[in-house]
Amino acid sequence: DAMVIQNPRYQVTQFGKPVTLSCSQTLNHNVMYWYQQKSSQAPKLLFHYYDKDFNNEADTPDNFQSRRPNTSFCFLDIRSPGLGDAAMYLCATSRNMERTYEQYFGPGTRLTVT
Amino acid sequence: GNSVTQMEGPVTLSEEAFLTINCTYTATGYPSLFWYVQYPGEGLQLLLKATKADDKGSNKGFEATYRKETTSFHLEKGSVQVSDSAVYFCALTRNTGFQKLVFGTGTRLLVSP
Repeated sequence: DAMVIQNPRYQVTQFGKPVTLSCSQTLNHNVMYWYQQKSSQAPKLLFHYYDKDFNNEADTPDNFQSRRPNTSFCFLDIRSPGLGDAAMYLCATSRNMERTYEQYFGPGTRLTVT
Repeated sequence: GNSVTQMEGPVTLSEEAFLTINCTYTATGYPSLFWYVQYPGEGLQLLLKATKADDKGSNKGFEATYRKETTSFHLEKGSVQVSDSAVYFCALTRNTGFQKLVFGTGTRLLVSP
């Protein structure tokens, strides 16, 4: 089945220690997104890639970076995690950027910062 | 700007009860409207969508109708099951430009046997 895969499902890191979260997709979609979701809140968009074009949301902290080496993979790098970065991180894809195309979400990576 | 307002939760129902979760939106033009569901510990799954006025989205017994006159997209199900317990998010994408999903705050549904 075509899908969005996130690894690991659970990640524990130490305060200030860089961490990378991984997302891969078999849908061959052009657009990949990273969201941050804190407890009992709606997902918050951090950035997206349309093919190789990177688009950062205005309020995404510089501490968060992303890489997309090819169509299938996208990475979220947190350079110096703080306690406030503990959250669920969701990767999503969509075929295109037209309004009718739904986004397909991965299962998420729950990040704990100790 | 574009926004989505959902009813506060949690919504607590007994099995086989009728469900309504209210959703209203503010947007220019003709956004597309979505309901996503998030089961405990998991990512979001698309439940249904509607892309133009008067469209009805339906899936797994859930329905929602795009009402432009009332700017609403209420989610309904005739008979809920315990397995429907989850958080439901109403969302929209604006009709032009970048397809950014604007989410409501989510409504938690708890169904008891």
